[in-house]
Amino acid sequence: SYELTQPPSVSVSPGQTASITCSGENLGDKFASWYQQKSGQSPVLVIYQNNMRPSGIPERFSGSNSGNTATLTISGAQATDEADYHCQAWDTSTGVFGGGTKLTVL
Amino acid sequence: QAQLVQSGAEVKKTGASVKVSCKASGYTFTTYYMHWVRQAPGQGLEWMGIINPSGGSTSYTQKLQGRITMTRATSTSTVYMELSSLRSEDTAVYYCARESIVSKRGTNYYYGIDVWGQGTTVTVSS
Repeated sequence: SYELTQPPSVSVSPGQTASITCSGENLGDKFASWYQQKSGQSPVLVIYQNNMRPSGIPERFSGSNSGNTATLTISGAQATDEADYHCQAWDTSTGVFGGGTKLTVL
Repeated sequence: QAQLVQSGAEVKKTGASVKVSCKASGYTFTTYYMHWVRQAPGQGLEWMGIINPSGGSTSYTQKLQGRITMTRATSTSTVYMELSSLRSEDTAVYYCARESIVSKRGTNYYYGIDVWGQGTTVTVSS
C-alpha cells in the first residue's frame, strides 16, 4: 500500500521559515494537500493541489511538490502556527495521510 | 455556511458495531464527496474511505474492507459510517469531511477536504 512519510517534529523560531516535508513514491505525479490541526480541534485545510491556498489562509503558507517530496513552507512563522501538520494524497481511488509533523515555534 | 454535524460519543464492547451519522447543511449535499477519517489517541489521521452522495458509490481502505460500510440518505443530507467487529484499536475520534472532486479529461482534480465535522469519539472496551 502507498505510504507518505513526514518527520515527527520540526522547530522554528518566530519570524523564521519552517519547511515540513512529505515523502512518497512519485508523489510529484499526484496532488498533495496539507492540513493544520491544533490541539483538540478538527483539521483545517491550508494547501490543496500542491500549492493552492483556500480563502482565509494567510499568504505565509505555501506548498510545492516535485519528484518524491511535497513541502509545506511557512514563511515568517508565528506562535499561532504551532500545531500538527498532516499531508495527504490519493493513490488511485484510495486516500492516504502522512503520519503528521508537530511544528513547534519557539 | 457549510457545516457537518456528527452524532454523539459512543462506548462499545469488543465485537459490537457502531454507526456514526454526519448531517450536512449550508451546501448542496450531492455535489461534494464525503470522507471518513479517524484519529486514535496521540496518533495521526487515518483515511477510512469515501462516499459519493450523488450515486452512493464508495471506496474503502483495504485495512477495513469487510468491516466498514458507508451509506447516505439524500432526503436528510446525512451520511453514515458503520464499523463492525470492533476491537480496542478502533478507539478513536471519527471525522466526516467533505471534498470537491472534479473529473476533467480523465484526470481527477482534488480541491482539498475543506469542511470537517466536529468529531465523534468512539471508545471500545471489553
